[in-house]
Amino acid sequence: KNQVEQSPQSLIILEGKNCTLQCNYTVSPFSNLRWYKQDTGRGPVSLTIMTFSENTKSNGRYTATLDADTKQSSLHITASQLSDSASYICVVDRGSTLGRLYFGRGTQLTVWP
Amino acid sequence: NAGVTQTPKFQVLKTGQSMTLQCAQDMNHEYMSWYRQDPGMGLRLIHYSVGAGITDQGEVPNGYNVSRSTTEDFPLRLLSAAPSQTSVYFCASSYSQVDGGRAKNIQYFGAGTRLSVL
Repeated sequence: KNQVEQSPQSLIILEGKNCTLQCNYTVSPFSNLRWYKQDTGRGPVSLTIMTFSENTKSNGRYTATLDADTKQSSLHITASQLSDSASYICVVDRGSTLGRLYFGRGTQLTVWP
Repeated sequence: NAGVTQTPKFQVLKTGQSMTLQCAQDMNHEYMSWYRQDPGMGLRLIHYSVGAGITDQGEVPNGYNVSRSTTEDFPLRLLSAAPSQTSVYFCASSYSQVDGGRAKNIQYFGAGTRLSVL
């Protein structure tokens, strides 16, 4: 069964600290893995997209890693800011068509001052 | 560019009523999709389109219809609303980009429509 599991479900950190979010997937065949950020009341926004041959990809203070062998990905946030408070969603592409995107349930991150 | 515009932002319906959720994009993207997001669940694909005149079903299509007469617009119709359709609906448009010899589908989401069916 094609699934995307994220952990933890929620996380609270203090401003300025780092954190790492996890994503495990069983989607096969695998094409791309992406991380989205979704602010409360808004639509998801893409942070990174990685193909199976990419091990790491950065977007400012966000760094995503991918291990296609173990089917695991992580999103590392450095020097967190209050504006990082959001839900972070892991999405796996099975093939390159629109009908084959599998969304995780998201990790709700709260950054406290 | 306005990006992806969804209307209305909020809607309350009674069971059995019909309505259309509007979605428009001004980026000339070929691909458009409709998702629903329910508490504690990932986004689920309802219908999608790979171009004008072409639509296909996603994971949860029952109770919804779509059409794609133009590149810009992709309306979602609820035929006879049910309480189970209470959700937040997101429209997305996307284009395909080749990166390192592999295709990536770059998505842009609208702000969503919050629908309650009583």
